[in-house]
Amino acid sequence: DAGVIQSPRHEVTEMGQEVTLRCKPISGHNSLFWYRQTMMRGLELLIYFNNNVPIDDSGMPEDRFSAKMPNASFSTLKIQPSEPRDSAVYFCASSSRTSNEQFFGPGTRLTVL
Amino acid sequence: AQSVTQPDIHITVSEGASLELRCNYSYGATPYLFWYVQSPGQGLQLLLKYFSGDTLVQGIKGFEAEFKRSQSSFNLRKPSVHWSDAAEYFCASTGGGNKLTFGTGTQLKVEL
Repeated sequence: DAGVIQSPRHEVTEMGQEVTLRCKPISGHNSLFWYRQTMMRGLELLIYFNNNVPIDDSGMPEDRFSAKMPNASFSTLKIQPSEPRDSAVYFCASSSRTSNEQFFGPGTRLTVL
Repeated sequence: AQSVTQPDIHITVSEGASLELRCNYSYGATPYLFWYVQSPGQGLQLLLKYFSGDTLVQGIKGFEAEFKRSQSSFNLRKPSVHWSDAAEYFCASTGGGNKLTFGTGTQLKVEL
């Protein structure tokens, strides 16, 4: 198995631009999680899905952030418009219904200038 | 709300020395507990997990952790550290659901 796949690995954009981060979970996993990691706040859960349905989005910072999971093998996290304070590493993780273990992708390092 | 505390931000040990990284959790019932390791520029890799049963759990790379309910702790240990163990270590917990709460991490430096 290729593990959780995230793209792009690095993204540099200018303030005000739209940013879309992508994630492909491990095949057969039914839960998908988006995390953000910063020096100041550590690892924060933004949102998670079960069976493609958003279950808890209480960690989404504000309306500029949105996440979708149109099918079991793909999810996006969109920031529109982006701001410099959104600069962080964004991780996607997935888990199966039989285990609480989450498998993490390599992350997307986002820099907003 | 549950929380996870890792009191040590940085730890430095000599190669070959023993290691203990501290983790305390705050949760009414018995949580599910995890230790993850993150190497620079990488994602998080699971070292070990505790759900129930034997309170001493073995993980990958020679790591182990012991769940102590009386101390609300789940400390990570390794008898002999290798230079390749230098990384950041995160303790995490859930209340049985899907939502992981992470500690702030402990940065491990290994001196040769």
